[in-house]
Amino acid sequence: GENVEQHPSTLSVQEGDSAVIKCTYSDSASNYFPWYKQELGKRPQLIIDIRSNVGEKKDQRIAVTLNKTAKHFSLHITETQPEDSAVYFCAASNTGTASKLTFGTGTRLQVTL
Amino acid sequence: DAGVIQSPRHEVTEMGQEVTLRCKPISGHNSLFWYRQTMMRGLELLIYFNNNVPIDDSGMPEDRFSAKMPNASFSTLKIQPSEPRDSAVYFCASSPVGPYGYTFGSGTRLTVV
Repeated sequence: GENVEQHPSTLSVQEGDSAVIKCTYSDSASNYFPWYKQELGKRPQLIIDIRSNVGEKKDQRIAVTLNKTAKHFSLHITETQPEDSAVYFCAASNTGTASKLTFGTGTRLQVTL
Repeated sequence: DAGVIQSPRHEVTEMGQEVTLRCKPISGHNSLFWYRQTMMRGLELLIYFNNNVPIDDSGMPEDRFSAKMPNASFSTLKIQPSEPRDSAVYFCASSPVGPYGYTFGSGTRLTVV
């Protein structure tokens, strides 16, 4: 089955700096890669996703890049703000064979003033 | 739309007792997922249903765990007997089609003492 690895496990940046979180996946047939943000005590919420037919997607201060050859994808957050502090999860799915998402282990992002 | 509704929000029970967690998916969503979240193991998929039919229960840790989806608007996850190592946050999620548009419930924080 699919295995998703995520790094780093914790990340501390100063407000205004950029943050990058990286994930690798094992199943070359995976074709859908969402990112979820989980604030303390809350549910995970989808913030951005990318499908395998594109290499990059942006939405305001966040962007995701995908390298299918290397089987890795990354989340980029620019101009970080304190409200970006949360745990971020990457996930992968082979939509052709399964409905499920396999999640990475999460990255705790702390944005300091 | 009320979103995915889980109950109870918190459950404290004694070891050996039966625990039942409940989930109401978003109306019209065809897939339902049960995840367990712990610090050590992150978000683990326990089981998922498509159109009320269990598709993949390979993540169910032991025979003590069982899940049902008797209709499109209700699912239960039961643990019998419960053990302290079952303590975790249990999330239910639903999606309209496959892995796209996963929406998580608020979770049930289970503590087994």
